[in-house]
Amino acid sequence: AQKITQTQPGMFVQEKEAVTLDCTYDTSDPSYGLFWYKQPSSGEMIFLIYQGSYDQQNATEGRYSLNFQKARKSANLVISASQLGDSAMYFCAMREETSGSRLTFGEGTQLTVNP
Amino acid sequence: EAGVAQSPRYKIIEKRQSVAFWCNPISGHATLYWYQQILGQGPKLLIQFQNNGVVDDSQLPKDRFSAERLKGVDSTLKIQPAKLEDSAVYLCASSSRVNTEAFFGQGTRLTVV
Repeated sequence: AQKITQTQPGMFVQEKEAVTLDCTYDTSDPSYGLFWYKQPSSGEMIFLIYQGSYDQQNATEGRYSLNFQKARKSANLVISASQLGDSAMYFCAMREETSGSRLTFGEGTQLTVNP
Repeated sequence: EAGVAQSPRYKIIEKRQSVAFWCNPISGHATLYWYQQILGQGPKLLIQFQNNGVVDDSQLPKDRFSAERLKGVDSTLKIQPAKLEDSAVYLCASSSRVNTEAFFGQGTRLTVV
């Protein structure tokens, strides 16, 4: 079974609007962390935001927020006020306590911001 | 602060040849990772080092892939002999502690023909 599922291969959004990128995960480990990374065409993976399984509040970092719904096992990324520079691949990833610090990635979502 | 450095950026080789990639992590980062990213997929962990010891190499194809991290700093990843299916981007990442976020380099794009 896939541990991380990103069901949106591609998403489009107008500049200055908000967009939600979906991520669902599968784990039986009570302790885990969820990450979002951005990969522009240059290839580098850029860390955006982190949510721990025991965190009571949703994580926020500037224009990025993570909509964490533990019972549904979802960790959607919300980008507010989209900018042209947000166009990139976005990967959701999970780290389970039982697997040490290995990050398991989803297949990614290609976001395109239109002017 | 300098980021994770990788070289070369691009490499084209014929199948059955050997190739090596180099990674210099962020200064002071004890944990180093090598990931393989096949086109259209998310990265997959190949090997993880903690200082110069291997923590996880369960997904490394050990019959052809090898990696080392001498002195707990720089690392090299080698493929010998290469196969067509090894065509991918090889990403190196480092983190200061095991349970903190990983910082990635720009990767080496390998094409095997």
